[in-house]
Amino acid sequence: ETGVTQTPRHLVMGMTNKKSLKCEQHLGHNAMYWYKQSAKKPLELMFVYNFKEQTENNSVPSRFSPECPNSSHLFLHLHTLQPEDSALYLCASSRELRGGTEAFFGQGTRLTVV
Amino acid sequence: SQQGEEDPQALSIQEGENATMNCSYKTSINNLQWYRQNSGRGLVHLILIRSNEREKHSGRLRVTLDTSKKSSSLLITASRAADTASYFCATALIQGAQKLVFGQGTRLTINP
Repeated sequence: ETGVTQTPRHLVMGMTNKKSLKCEQHLGHNAMYWYKQSAKKPLELMFVYNFKEQTENNSVPSRFSPECPNSSHLFLHLHTLQPEDSALYLCASSRELRGGTEAFFGQGTRLTVV
Repeated sequence: SQQGEEDPQALSIQEGENATMNCSYKTSINNLQWYRQNSGRGLVHLILIRSNEREKHSGRLRVTLDTSKKSSSLLITASRAADTASYFCATALIQGAQKLVFGQGTRLTINP
């Protein structure tokens, strides 16, 4: 257990559905991240939040909508996804320290778009 | 691109042997980190080396960093079957929050 919890662990959704992924950490970290991991591709950084403010949007399509209501929770709202969006979605958190620090990852949500 | 690239993409060795994985990157960094991932699960942090450090040890792990060559290596000594996993390097830039960019990883298989 890393202290970062993602729900659900698995999700199957149709292209017209709307669903949300949830990430929660109680490690006192101020930064939270969404990554996408597809087969045979590097982890892709999607969004970065620092003290609840979005500081990075890595050219992510608008069908992915992040929300960070507080420093402990991060959501990824999904709507009208495509089959190529099927992937493992990983949430991570870290503490802002001079020189950087390790990131703690959740177990991921395995998303299948049908 | 800041992205790290690992080499080799796959490595298979016998238990007890040492495993070496390399990582190259293209831009200046604040630190470089190595992570491990068991199949289909989250990543686990192994070690962080800062840009002003050259070598770091943690148990059976040894990491080197050469900022002039923009490269790093991860050595796992006396490998065990449980070390079988994918290993990723991640380069870090700090612009407000730390931004980690990962390479494609090395798939390590330890044969008993």
